Order: sequence, then structure tokens, then C-alpha cells
Amino acid sequence: DQQVKQNSPSLSVQEGRISILNCDYTNSMFDYFLWYKKYPAEGPTFLISISSIKDKNEDGRFTVFLNKSAKHLSLHIVPSQPGDSAVYFCAASGGSNYKLTFGKGTLLTVNP
Amino acid sequence: DVKVTQSSRYLVKRTGEKVFLECVQDMDHENMFWYRQDPGLGLRLIYFSYDVKMKEKGDIPEGYSVSREKKERFSLILESASTNQTSMYLCASNKQGPAGELFFGEGSRLTVL
Repeated sequence: DQQVKQNSPSLSVQEGRISILNCDYTNSMFDYFLWYKKYPAEGPTFLISISSIKDKNEDGRFTVFLNKSAKHLSLHIVPSQPGDSAVYFCAASGGSNYKLTFGKGTLLTVNP
Repeated sequence: DVKVTQSSRYLVKRTGEKVFLECVQDMDHENMFWYRQDPGLGLRLIYFSYDVKMKEKGDIPEGYSVSREKKERFSLILESASTNQTSMYLCASNKQGPAGELFFGEGSRLTVL
């Protein structure tokens, strides 16, 4: 049973445009959400997070939106740059659970 | 600069061999994790440890064991490697308490022939 779902395996956008990556979750206990970026042959690196007490968090070109009623979050990248091309993982955790549950990832390609 | 270091970036082993993957973190983190990443399957948790000598099974522990004798070191052991264990293995750590930002190592690409 997949508790964190990224339904788009890949996304392609033009440089300078907005990239929107989506993530859905099923576990109501999740209260903290993170996005990670991963380049080939490297470990994932933390990008941005959001707590369930918020519905938006911004960090430079990256904004994460959380819709708790829909159990949906999205990552917006504006403007997109070729260096943003990577696999993006959505992750979630809940309560006192030590674990992060990851989605399957979305490969973002930003074309020059 | 904080770091999670995995001992081997690339390994090639034969079926039936015993494989050790080592991970060391210098952030004094209590929690350490082993994930594997496979195309189309994302990151799947194999084992984690929230204290020295403590370990808990993740989502896919079959065929693996772990060892945590010191706080900074977490080892993943494949007792008898099989071809379906060919994968990218990622070690991570974070502070004690509810899961927050994980710090990952660069990964170990294991090929089992």
C-alpha cells in the first residue's frame, strides 16, 4: 500500500517557466512533509519542508503548498533552470515515527 | 561541513558472497537509516537504528541485516548476495525524535553478478 504517491514519473518544462510537481498521501497521521532532489549517482539532498500547521512555505525559487483536506502537496519552481533537472522525491512523516515515507519520484527535465 | 560517508561508491560482487556496506556520520545523530533506490520504486527503507545496538526493520528487510556498534557507524550486511539485490544503497541520518530532515550519503551502487 503506497502511502505517498507521485503519479507523474516525469515532467518536462522550458527554462524560465514554472515547474509544478505533485504529491498525494493517504495516511492522515502524516504531519510533516519534505521534498528532496536527487542527481544521478548522488545522494538525495533536502530541498524544502512544510509542517501540517502551514499551507505554504517559500524558499527562494521553491514554494511548497499543502492542502490537508485533499491530502495533496505540490512543489513549485519558478523560474525553472536547467540545473533543476533531477529526480524529485516527496516524503512524509507523522507523530513520533522516526521514519520518512518516500514517493517514487518525478524526473524533472528543464530544457534550455 | 556535515557529512554522511559511505565507504564504497561502486561494488561488484558475485551471487552468494557476503557484502558489507559501511556508513559513517559526523553529526552526532541518533538515528541512522539504510534505503535502497530502484527505478520506478523510489526510496525504500531496509532498516533503521535510533540508538547504538538498536535496530528496527523497515519495509524491505528480507535478505539484509545491520549492525550499529558505535553511534557514528551503521553497517548494512548482505549475508548471501543475490542478483535482485543489485541496487543503489543510500545511508542517511538525522537527530533524535520525530522524523525530520534526513542527511544522505552519496550512495553505494552494488552490482551482483
